[in-house]
Amino acid sequence: SQQGEEDPQALSIQEGENATMNCSYKTSINNLQWYRQNSGRGLVHLILIRSNEREKHSGRLRVTLDTSKKSSSLLITASRAADTASYFCATDEGGSEKLVFGKGMKLTVNP
Amino acid sequence: DAGVTQSPTHLIKTRGQQVTLRCSPKSGHDTVSWYQQALGQGPQFIFQYYEEEERQRGNFPDRFSGHQFPNYSSELNVNALLLGDSALYLCASSLRLAVLGDEQFFGPGTRLTVL
Repeated sequence: SQQGEEDPQALSIQEGENATMNCSYKTSINNLQWYRQNSGRGLVHLILIRSNEREKHSGRLRVTLDTSKKSSSLLITASRAADTASYFCATDEGGSEKLVFGKGMKLTVNP
Repeated sequence: DAGVTQSPTHLIKTRGQQVTLRCSPKSGHDTVSWYQQALGQGPQFIFQYYEEEERQRGNFPDRFSGHQFPNYSSELNVNALLLGDSALYLCASSLRLAVLGDEQFFGPGTRLTVL
């Protein structure tokens, strides 16, 4: 079963613009992770945010977590063509060690 | 520092056959998880191995089995292949004893096609 659901499912922007994607989940979590996947290849870990954190930054990435709304957002600032990929949120459903992924969001950054 | 490696990269099998996929975890990691990713979908958890034992299992039939070796590497075996088993199989490694969970690092995957 998929717990996380990314929104929107697809986004197309111009280089230099910001991209925001949202994730909603259903059960309690210990942490939430965001991953990037290029053309059906392996997943690249972007950032992990724990349930006791509200915001986290890493380079051009900003992640927020609202456990009361069971939602998270990933902001990519000053996007580049190389950011074109599918993005997934994943949660440790109920604190277990397995990751539960959403269906992903396809981001296209046009040069 | 080698990341997670998987072999083979691609594999083509026919229905009814058996397949073995291999994974070496990131240096320092002791836990290996396997995921199946169908086209256009997010990865689905198959199972996780730690200390050479299956610790958690997702909603997959017994045709899917695995093994972990003393050096922490792992194999995924699928018997009696079905067309629906065609997918990207991803291996992820992590450190079991990390407090409150930790990042799982994924390998490049094995693309399995069942004809």
